[in-house]
Amino acid sequence: DIQMTQSPSSLSASVGDRVTITCRASQGISNYLAWFQQKPGKAPKSLIYAASSLQSGVPSKFSGSGSGTDFTLTISSLQPEDFATYYCQQYNSYPLTFGPGTKVDIK
Amino acid sequence: QVQLQESGPGLVKPSQTLSLTCTVSGGSISSGGYYWSWIRQHPGKGLEWIGYIYYSGSTYYNPSLKSRVTISVDTSKNQFSLKLSSVTAADTAVYYCAILDTAMVTLDWGQGTLVTVSS
Repeated sequence: DIQMTQSPSSLSASVGDRVTITCRASQGISNYLAWFQQKPGKAPKSLIYAASSLQSGVPSKFSGSGSGTDFTLTISSLQPEDFATYYCQQYNSYPLTFGPGTKVDIK
Repeated sequence: QVQLQESGPGLVKPSQTLSLTCTVSGGSISSGGYYWSWIRQHPGKGLEWIGYIYYSGSTYYNPSLKSRVTISVDTSKNQFSLKLSSVTAADTAVYYCAILDTAMVTLDWGQGTLVTVSS
Protein backbone atom coordinates (compact mmCIF):
# COMPACT_ATOMS: atom_id res chain seq x y z
CA ASP A 1 0.00 0.00 0.00
CA ILE A 2 1.09 3.58 -0.57
CA GLN A 3 1.55 5.34 2.77
CA MET A 4 0.52 8.98 3.03
CA THR A 5 1.93 11.33 5.64
CA GLN A 6 0.92 14.89 6.45
CA SER A 7 2.60 17.72 8.28
CA PRO A 8 1.95 19.31 10.56
CA SER A 9 -0.55 17.10 12.38
CA SER A 10 -2.15 20.23 13.75
CA LEU A 11 -1.70 23.97 13.55
CA SER A 12 -3.16 27.05 15.12
CA ALA A 13 -3.79 30.05 12.92
CA SER A 14 -5.63 33.35 12.90
CA VAL A 15 -8.32 34.60 10.57
CA GLY A 16 -6.61 36.05 7.53
CA ASP A 17 -3.51 33.89 7.81
CA ARG A 18 -2.05 32.01 4.87
CA VAL A 19 -1.88 28.33 5.74
CA THR A 20 0.09 25.56 4.03
CA ILE A 21 -0.29 21.83 4.68
CA THR A 22 2.12 19.26 3.28
CA CYS A 23 1.35 15.73 2.15
CA ARG A 24 3.95 13.14 1.18
CA ALA A 25 3.46 9.78 -0.52
CA SER A 26 5.70 6.79 0.16
CA GLN A 27 6.18 6.36 -3.59
CA GLY A 28 5.48 8.40 -6.67
CA ILE A 29 1.81 8.94 -7.46
CA SER A 30 2.13 11.40 -10.35
CA ASN A 31 -0.66 13.93 -9.68
CA TYR A 32 -3.28 11.44 -8.45
CA LEU A 33 -3.78 13.34 -5.22
CA ALA A 34 -6.97 14.70 -3.67
CA TRP A 35 -7.64 16.93 -0.67
CA PHE A 36 -10.69 16.80 1.61
CA GLN A 37 -12.01 19.07 4.35
CA GLN A 38 -13.88 17.61 7.32
CA LYS A 39 -15.68 19.53 10.03
CA PRO A 40 -16.64 17.90 13.34
CA GLY A 41 -19.57 15.52 13.01
CA LYS A 42 -19.75 15.99 9.25
CA ALA A 43 -18.76 13.98 6.22
CA PRO A 44 -15.58 14.96 4.39
CA LYS A 45 -15.98 17.41 1.54
CA SER A 46 -13.97 17.09 -1.64
CA LEU A 47 -11.83 20.17 -2.30
CA ILE A 48 -9.14 19.35 -4.84
CA TYR A 49 -8.36 16.53 -7.27
CA ALA A 50 -5.45 15.90 -9.62
CA ALA A 51 -3.26 17.72 -7.10
CA SER A 52 -4.32 21.19 -8.19
CA SER A 53 -7.82 21.14 -9.73
CA LEU A 54 -10.63 22.62 -7.64
CA GLN A 55 -13.85 20.67 -7.31
CA SER A 56 -16.92 22.52 -8.52
CA GLY A 57 -18.04 25.18 -6.07
CA VAL A 58 -14.82 25.25 -4.04
CA PRO A 59 -13.59 28.80 -3.50
CA SER A 60 -10.35 29.90 -5.10
CA LYS A 61 -8.74 30.62 -1.72
CA PHE A 62 -7.91 26.90 -1.77
CA SER A 63 -5.06 25.80 -3.99
CA GLY A 64 -3.02 22.68 -4.40
CA SER A 65 0.31 21.88 -5.94
CA GLY A 66 2.84 19.12 -6.31
CA SER A 67 3.61 15.98 -8.23
CA GLY A 68 5.38 12.72 -7.60
CA THR A 69 5.69 12.36 -3.83
CA ASP A 70 5.34 15.87 -2.38
CA PHE A 71 2.18 17.95 -2.35
CA THR A 72 0.81 21.04 -0.64
CA LEU A 73 -2.59 22.50 0.13
CA THR A 74 -2.68 26.25 0.67
CA ILE A 75 -5.49 28.37 2.07
CA SER A 76 -4.69 31.92 1.03
CA SER A 77 -6.65 33.80 3.71
CA LEU A 78 -8.10 31.68 6.49
CA GLN A 79 -11.72 32.34 7.33
CA PRO A 80 -13.77 31.09 10.30
CA GLU A 81 -15.47 28.44 8.14
CA ASP A 82 -12.08 26.98 7.19
CA PHE A 83 -11.27 25.69 10.66
CA ALA A 84 -11.45 21.95 10.11
CA THR A 85 -9.36 18.83 9.55
CA TYR A 86 -7.81 18.37 6.12
CA TYR A 87 -6.94 15.00 4.59
CA CYS A 88 -4.97 14.10 1.51
CA GLN A 89 -5.67 10.92 -0.46
CA GLN A 90 -3.81 9.12 -3.22
CA TYR A 91 -5.78 7.42 -5.97
CA ASN A 92 -2.83 6.34 -8.09
CA SER A 93 -3.11 2.73 -7.01
CA TYR A 94 -5.26 0.38 -5.01
CA PRO A 95 -6.09 0.44 -2.24
CA LEU A 96 -6.81 4.16 -2.13
CA THR A 97 -5.18 5.56 1.00
CA PHE A 98 -5.55 8.70 3.08
CA GLY A 99 -3.16 10.78 5.09
CA PRO A 100 -3.71 10.99 8.86
CA GLY A 101 -5.11 14.50 8.68
CA THR A 102 -4.10 18.02 9.68
CA LYS A 103 -6.31 19.83 12.17
CA VAL A 104 -6.50 23.58 11.68
CA ASP A 105 -7.81 25.43 14.70
CA ILE A 106 -8.11 28.97 15.92
CA LYS A 107 -5.12 30.63 17.53
CA GLN B 1 -26.69 16.40 -8.19
CA VAL B 2 -26.41 12.89 -6.84
CA GLN B 3 -27.19 12.46 -3.16
CA LEU B 4 -26.20 9.49 -1.02
CA GLN B 5 -27.81 8.27 2.18
CA GLU B 6 -26.55 5.44 4.37
CA SER B 7 -28.91 3.29 6.41
CA GLY B 8 -28.68 0.26 8.65
CA PRO B 9 -28.38 -0.89 12.26
CA GLY B 10 -26.37 1.32 14.54
CA LEU B 11 -25.48 -1.55 16.86
CA VAL B 12 -24.07 -4.94 15.87
CA LYS B 13 -22.98 -7.74 18.16
CA PRO B 14 -19.44 -9.12 17.98
CA SER B 15 -18.97 -11.99 15.49
CA GLN B 16 -22.11 -10.97 13.59
CA THR B 17 -22.36 -9.35 10.16
CA LEU B 18 -22.60 -5.60 9.71
CA SER B 19 -25.00 -4.66 6.91
CA LEU B 20 -25.44 -1.17 5.48
CA THR B 21 -27.23 0.21 2.46
CA CYS B 22 -26.57 3.38 0.50
CA THR B 23 -29.54 4.84 -1.36
CA VAL B 24 -28.69 6.98 -4.35
CA SER B 25 -30.98 9.81 -5.47
CA GLY B 26 -30.63 12.34 -8.24
CA GLY B 27 -28.94 9.88 -10.54
CA SER B 28 -29.04 6.26 -11.65
CA ILE B 29 -26.44 3.70 -10.64
CA SER B 30 -27.18 1.74 -13.81
CA SER B 31 -26.26 4.64 -16.09
CA GLY B 32 -22.61 3.78 -15.52
CA GLY B 33 -19.63 6.08 -15.45
CA TYR B 34 -19.18 6.03 -11.69
CA TYR B 35 -17.87 3.77 -8.97
CA TRP B 36 -19.84 3.35 -5.76
CA SER B 37 -17.65 3.12 -2.71
CA TRP B 38 -17.57 2.56 1.04
CA ILE B 39 -15.16 4.33 3.38
CA ARG B 40 -15.01 4.19 7.17
CA GLN B 41 -13.63 6.35 9.93
CA HIS B 42 -12.85 5.00 13.37
CA PRO B 43 -13.89 7.36 16.20
CA GLY B 44 -11.51 10.29 16.32
CA LYS B 45 -9.29 8.70 13.70
CA GLY B 46 -8.49 8.88 10.01
CA LEU B 47 -10.19 7.49 6.95
CA GLU B 48 -9.99 3.92 5.61
CA TRP B 49 -11.13 3.01 2.10
CA ILE B 50 -13.11 -0.25 2.07
CA GLY B 51 -13.78 -0.80 -1.61
CA TYR B 52 -16.05 -0.11 -4.56
CA ILE B 53 -18.57 -1.62 -6.92
CA TYR B 54 -19.46 -0.73 -10.50
CA TYR B 55 -23.03 -0.99 -11.77
CA SER B 56 -22.05 -4.15 -13.64
CA GLY B 57 -21.18 -5.79 -10.34
CA SER B 58 -17.41 -5.68 -10.63
CA THR B 59 -15.77 -4.95 -7.30
CA TYR B 60 -12.49 -4.12 -5.64
CA TYR B 61 -11.88 -4.58 -1.92
CA ASN B 62 -9.13 -3.28 0.32
CA PRO B 63 -6.89 -6.31 0.97
CA SER B 64 -6.93 -5.48 4.68
CA LEU B 65 -10.66 -6.29 4.77
CA LYS B 66 -11.10 -8.45 1.69
CA SER B 67 -11.76 -11.71 3.50
CA ARG B 68 -14.72 -10.19 5.37
CA VAL B 69 -16.22 -7.68 2.92
CA THR B 70 -18.92 -7.96 0.29
CA ILE B 71 -20.24 -4.98 -1.67
CA SER B 72 -23.29 -5.54 -3.84
CA VAL B 73 -25.57 -3.43 -6.00
CA ASP B 74 -29.32 -3.44 -6.59
CA THR B 75 -29.92 -1.29 -9.65
CA SER B 76 -33.71 -1.77 -9.42
CA LYS B 77 -33.69 0.02 -6.07
CA ASN B 78 -30.79 2.35 -6.98
CA GLN B 79 -28.91 1.12 -3.94
CA PHE B 80 -25.63 -0.50 -3.11
CA SER B 81 -24.76 -2.34 0.06
CA LEU B 82 -21.91 -3.29 2.37
CA LYS B 83 -21.61 -6.46 4.37
CA LEU B 84 -18.75 -6.95 6.82
CA SER B 85 -18.66 -10.31 8.54
CA SER B 86 -17.22 -11.47 11.86
CA VAL B 87 -17.11 -7.98 13.29
CA THR B 88 -15.21 -6.99 16.42
CA ALA B 89 -14.99 -3.79 18.42
CA ALA B 90 -12.28 -2.69 16.00
CA ASP B 91 -14.98 -2.34 13.33
CA THR B 92 -16.76 0.34 15.32
CA ALA B 93 -16.67 3.35 13.00
CA VAL B 94 -18.63 5.87 11.00
CA TYR B 95 -19.32 4.30 7.63
CA TYR B 96 -19.64 6.54 4.58
CA CYS B 97 -20.79 5.74 1.09
CA ALA B 98 -19.30 7.80 -1.70
CA ILE B 99 -19.36 8.25 -5.47
CA LEU B 100 -16.14 8.13 -7.48
CA ASP B 101 -15.61 8.96 -11.14
CA THR B 102 -13.80 6.65 -13.54
CA ALA B 103 -10.48 8.20 -12.57
CA MET B 104 -11.15 7.25 -8.93
CA VAL B 105 -11.74 10.88 -7.94
CA THR B 106 -14.15 11.03 -4.99
CA LEU B 107 -16.93 13.39 -5.98
CA ASP B 108 -19.34 13.30 -3.06
CA TRP B 109 -20.06 11.55 0.21
CA GLY B 110 -23.08 10.43 2.17
CA GLN B 111 -23.57 11.92 5.62
CA GLY B 112 -22.23 8.80 7.30
CA THR B 113 -23.68 6.39 9.84
CA LEU B 114 -22.12 5.29 13.11
CA VAL B 115 -21.98 1.56 13.67
CA THR B 116 -21.01 0.35 17.12
CA VAL B 117 -19.94 -3.24 17.69
CA SER B 118 -20.85 -4.27 21.21
CA SER B 119 -22.64 -7.02 23.04
